[in-house]
Amino acid sequence: GAVVSQHPSWVICKSGTSVKIECRSLDFQATTMFWYRQFPKQSLMLMATSNEGSKATYEQGVEKDKFLINHASLTLSTLTVTSAHPEDSSFYICSGRDREPYEQYFGPGTRLTVT
Amino acid sequence: GQNIDQPTEMTATEGAIVQINCTYQTSGFNGLFWYQQHAGEAPTFLSYNVLDGLEEKGRFSSFLSRSKGYSYLLLKELQMKDSASYLCAVRDSNYQLIWGAGTKLIIKP
Repeated sequence: GAVVSQHPSWVICKSGTSVKIECRSLDFQATTMFWYRQFPKQSLMLMATSNEGSKATYEQGVEKDKFLINHASLTLSTLTVTSAHPEDSSFYICSGRDREPYEQYFGPGTRLTVT
Repeated sequence: GQNIDQPTEMTATEGAIVQINCTYQTSGFNGLFWYQQHAGEAPTFLSYNVLDGLEEKGRFSSFLSRSKGYSYLLLKELQMKDSASYLCAVRDSNYQLIWGAGTKLIIKP
């Protein structure tokens, strides 16, 4: 199957700082990227959907000014958590989907801890 | 609204068979997926059903009945490494994945 990488795999930052997470599709063109958040023992929660070259579409309750998503190319999307707070500590997972809408390929996830 | 239901937790014995059910109500249907997720890791793809019937892949099989809005994942010859959460997801008319809350499967020796 196709491969999606995420970087970093884990990060610890101080409250008030910003953190950028990169998501790359390594062997396919991800025309659509999805960003999920998962709190412990809970299911995946879709945060936003982005199409290459377009602004992301955010799910209800997700602050677009806090979670900045950039999908400038077919192989790279970034999520920036601005002014992070401890409640933003979570497991962030991206997934990419190519032009044939068959399957989403997930990255390994990034564990963010805000102290 | 859109809704996917699956049991929260199940327990089974190593070497046995377990069936995890999933019922759904979504706006449109463009396929049903099963994913496996180990603690602290991202989901990995297990199976995809878009037509009624059974899809078999090694020890894992997945069944779909579109008229009943129902699917199950069948795991045979359970191994300890199968202890994980199993996520049912339906792709709706907008090709968005709607996720169930996941079923935590505990395998006992």
